[in-house]
Amino acid sequence: RKEVEQDPGPFNVPEGATVAFNCTYSNSASQSFFWYRQDCRKEPKLLMSVYSSGNEDGRFTAQLNRASQYISLLIRDSKLSDSATYLCVVKSGDNFNKFYFGSGTKLNVKP
Amino acid sequence: EAQVTQNPRYLITVTGKKLTVTCSQNMNHEYMSWYRQDPGLGLRQIYYSMNVEVTDKGDVPEGYKVSRKEKRNFPLILESPSPNQTSLYFCASSLSGTGRTNYGYTFGSGTRLTVV
Repeated sequence: RKEVEQDPGPFNVPEGATVAFNCTYSNSASQSFFWYRQDCRKEPKLLMSVYSSGNEDGRFTAQLNRASQYISLLIRDSKLSDSATYLCVVKSGDNFNKFYFGSGTKLNVKP
Repeated sequence: EAQVTQNPRYLITVTGKKLTVTCSQNMNHEYMSWYRQDPGLGLRQIYYSMNVEVTDKGDVPEGYKVSRKEKRNFPLILESPSPNQTSLYFCASSLSGTGRTNYGYTFGSGTRLTVV
């Protein structure tokens, strides 16, 4: 079983739509969680960290559900520029500093 | 500007010709790592380093070597490249942290390697 699993998509949505991605992780001891955005052929860039109480950054909201071991990303009022692949990243909770990456969910926002 | 710098950005080489991809970070990060990204397989860790002179294998280390003689540099060495090492490579760094620290990665811009 993969450490981190995501639906690869693609999610094709119209501009202005609200879209949500989920990601599940297998290690219950995981401590740190992130969403990264990756544009085609570019490096992944940190979109936001995910905190236990949930957090929001503009149109983006991230949630963590430790009991069910999943994290989510909600994008409201989608823009064309939101088209990208979104990577779920989980960091192990010990001294190992091991990051586990999901394969990514592709989002296409259409006019 | 805080960044991770990889060179070269693009490289085409022939099977068996040793090559080095350089990686340097200016953020005083302890933790550095190399990944390769292939279609359908996502990011896979090759090697990582917790600090100077401390390196360890990731998930796909075969055919690669690394060194960490200085904190800022973490070169990736392919002693005898083969076509199956054709891939997009990323170097990344992070502050070292334990427990609930939310230190994420900063990635370099990537190196697209083709081995023919």
